[in-house]
Amino acid sequence: EAGVAQSPRYKIIEKRQSVAFWCNPISGHATLYWYQQILGQGPKLLIQFQNNGVVDDSQLPKDRFSAERLKGVDSTLKIQPAKLEDSAVYLCASSSVGGLGGYTFGSGTRLTVV
Amino acid sequence: AQSVTQLDSQVPVFEEAPVELRCNYSSSVSVYLFWYVQYPNQGLQLLLKYLSGSTLVKGINGFEAEFNKSQTSFHLRKPSVHISDTAEYFCAVSATSGTYKYIFGTGTRLKVLA
Repeated sequence: EAGVAQSPRYKIIEKRQSVAFWCNPISGHATLYWYQQILGQGPKLLIQFQNNGVVDDSQLPKDRFSAERLKGVDSTLKIQPAKLEDSAVYLCASSSVGGLGGYTFGSGTRLTVV
Repeated sequence: AQSVTQLDSQVPVFEEAPVELRCNYSSSVSVYLFWYVQYPNQGLQLLLKYLSGSTLVKGINGFEAEFNKSQTSFHLRKPSVHISDTAEYFCAVSATSGTYKYIFGTGTRLKVLA
């Protein structure tokens, strides 16, 4: 089966600019996650979707981050305006309901804010 | 809420030697446990998981882990490592109900020396 697709792989922007990341999950996976992985740290959940509804966005900085999952398939994560501390790898993952089979992760988008 | 502690940030080991990567968790409810591996510039790949049943879990690439409920641990082991095992290893925990979101540890960098 095809894996989780993410684009772009790398992005460099200046602070206060905006940026968007795209994710296409594994076909049939109802649950989609966005994680932020800062260098030297473990991934931190930003938002979890079940189909096209939000299940958990408790750690999403809503003043600057937004995410949507249209039609319960692809998802977009946006940052506006970006700060230096947003430099990180943004990982998208998907799973069947409950995630008991484990998450499947994409290769991530490495964001550098200068 | 759940939390994960990976005490060792880096573990150097010689090729063909055994290795143990330590993971301790904290939770007030029953948990599922996972180990993921991350190679440079790649996403996370599932190594193994504990859901229920036998406390000794075998995964891919010759890795295994043992769930110890009394010590709240889930240590990862391999009897003989290869150069190709050099990577970052993450332990993760999720509750057995609710949103099933994963909480990751900060990771252990395994460096296999020739």
